[in-house]
Amino acid sequence: AQTVTQSQPEMSVQEAETVTLSCTYDTSENNYYLFWYKQPPSRQMILVIRQEAYKQQNATENRFSVNFQKAAKSFSLKISDSQLGDTAMYFCAFPGNAGGTSYGKLTFGQGTILTVHP
Amino acid sequence: DVKVTQSSRYLVKRTGEKVFLECVQDMDHENMFWYRQDPGLGLRLIYFSYDVKMKEKGDIPEGYSVSREKKERFSLILESASTNQTSMYLCASSLEGAPLLGEKLFFGSGTQLSVL
Repeated sequence: AQTVTQSQPEMSVQEAETVTLSCTYDTSENNYYLFWYKQPPSRQMILVIRQEAYKQQNATENRFSVNFQKAAKSFSLKISDSQLGDTAMYFCAFPGNAGGTSYGKLTFGQGTILTVHP
Repeated sequence: DVKVTQSSRYLVKRTGEKVFLECVQDMDHENMFWYRQDPGLGLRLIYFSYDVKMKEKGDIPEGYSVSREKKERFSLILESASTNQTSMYLCASSLEGAPLLGEKLFFGSGTQLSVL
């Protein structure tokens, strides 16, 4: 079974600085996607960024980028120029039952609460 | 924009009550999911449905059942609510196989359930 681990329950950063959130996962699959979701205080989950495993290049979406290390099964999220609106819980997620089924469930990590201080 | 609507934002129930949590999506998605969110545990999948009247157990189905009579509606049922079911419940929907194809899930805003 796939597992996703986020080892940082809480992180804090000053506005305009950079912060990195960690995620590791376990899978026997070779090609897959990885996701970072954000849950602000409104509770509405938002997709932040996604990475396809066979692509060597790390994904980037504006101030958000990933450091994807396939061999190490590591998928960290870097937030540059942090803003107050980045304050949220962040979840790393991985598709479960990736082998042979089309149902596409997502397995989530434990989450990291990020607080951006002014 | 896809909208996933959960019927209640906050709910307070008594131990032993039968509880229904309703979720409706408006984008004709095949897949619908119920997750439970607890501090330190992240989101855990309770049940999912990949078609009308079809369902599969997730990682923590004990104490829960589901119903999907229409494509747009997925209900989570607590047959006899217990205090350890106090939690945030999140509904989500997606196209068939979406995460496997790099597509996202669409989430509702959650129902905070307190069982007293």
